[in-house]
Amino acid sequence: SQLAEENSWALSVHEGESVTVNCSYKTSITALQWYRQKSGKGPAQLILIRSNEREKRNGRLRATLDTSSQSSSLSITATRCEDTAVYFCATDYTGNYKYVFGAGTRLKVIA
Amino acid sequence: DMKVTQMPRYLIKRMGENVLLECGQDMSHETMYWYRQDPGLGLQLIYISYDVDSNSEGDIPKGYRVSRKKREHFSLILDSAKTNQTSVYFCAIPDSFSNERLFFGHGTKLSVL
Repeated sequence: SQLAEENSWALSVHEGESVTVNCSYKTSITALQWYRQKSGKGPAQLILIRSNEREKRNGRLRATLDTSSQSSSLSITATRCEDTAVYFCATDYTGNYKYVFGAGTRLKVIA
Repeated sequence: DMKVTQMPRYLIKRMGENVLLECGQDMSHETMYWYRQDPGLGLQLIYISYDVDSNSEGDIPKGYRVSRKKREHFSLILDSAKTNQTSVYFCAIPDSFSNERLFFGHGTKLSVL
């Protein structure tokens, strides 16, 4: 079973709009990561947010973490066509660096 | 950025044939990973290697074995491949400083007919 899950399978927005991808996880964690995967490429990490952080920013990206509801969100502002990708959350439940990925949310940004 | 090289990029095999997927890195990092990715399932961890000859099962090791004889190389082996092993396979290494960021290769798309 998935231990980290994004809550939407697919989203589409128009260029310039903002979008939020959500993720839920099932046990306590020390950190959660967000990755982006463009077509034909491997995933690339966008943001890592630790359990003692509530928010983390990286340019147009903003991640939040709510440990009480065991959920995280990744928001992208002023979206661009090049933001079209699959977005994954990932975490390590074991402490042995065995990262579990969610199924991903497919985002399409329309010009 | 760290470089993870996967060979081959595309591979077509018949059911029952043996498959060897190879991964190389240029950082001599101790830890290396093999994941597979199927539509709608995200990435699933097959094996993790913590160093030469120090390998550990991930979530879906059945049907796979690995070999790590040199720190720079990590191989994924499918003995007698099955059609349900058709997938995209990714190798990854962690960030040298924190182990909390994975760098992935471009993947190997394997089709088992």
